[in-house]
Amino acid sequence: QVQLVQSGAEVKKPGASVRVSCKASAYTSTDYYIHWVRHAPGQGLEWLGWIKPNSGGTNYALNFQGRVTMTTGTSISTIYMELSSLRFDDTAVYYCAGSGGGRLWSGEVYSLDVWGQGTTVTVAS
Amino acid sequence: DIVMTQSPDSLAVSLGERASINCKSSRSVLYNTNNKNYLAWYQLKPGQPPRLLISWASARESGVPDRFSGSGSGTDFTLTISSLQAEDVAVYYCQQYYSTVPITFGQGTRLEIK
Repeated sequence: QVQLVQSGAEVKKPGASVRVSCKASAYTSTDYYIHWVRHAPGQGLEWLGWIKPNSGGTNYALNFQGRVTMTTGTSISTIYMELSSLRFDDTAVYYCAGSGGGRLWSGEVYSLDVWGQGTTVTVAS
Repeated sequence: DIVMTQSPDSLAVSLGERASINCKSSRSVLYNTNNKNYLAWYQLKPGQPPRLLISWASARESGVPDRFSGSGSGTDFTLTISSLQAEDVAVYYCQQYYSTVPITFGQGTRLEIK
């Protein structure tokens, strides 16, 4: 079973950028995806996008395109999510989550069965 | 986007009683080629990451108590807790992964003890 460990809490000013890391213990297959999901106070779960570590391919939610970037580190076991031009309403707990995937179509993914512990990002002046 | 709508928004059930949460998708999440519904249920408790309970609409994850079950197909789905326990107090979310542009969640259903 893959385990995901995230970096610590961050406090940022409006307009700044934040980078959160997620380290995976292993990947169960080459068709493995790391997703980012956030949970803002009093809100529901919101998906930001995924990265396929084996290829570096990404897929971002339209709401975040232009502001979010997901990359791998020097080792593909570490994933980074950078969110720029931070606003007050970006204050949330950010989770990385893992899923397998299939090959019925490009980007076929499965449910998010492994989650990191979450990283609190606070945007405050 | 596939819009996921849950009902009710909140629910209070007595211990030992049945709890049912509904989820409706704006488009079918059934892929006819493999006859699978790309629908999952998650449990979210304060201070914890979400926990996957059910995938493929009805497949219970390893370690999830058998009082949790999922049903439905196409656009209409239900999560049922057959006999509510105190530790089941949480917010529950359905999620579709049929279309990943984007993956979408329902708005959540808060489950409490009556």
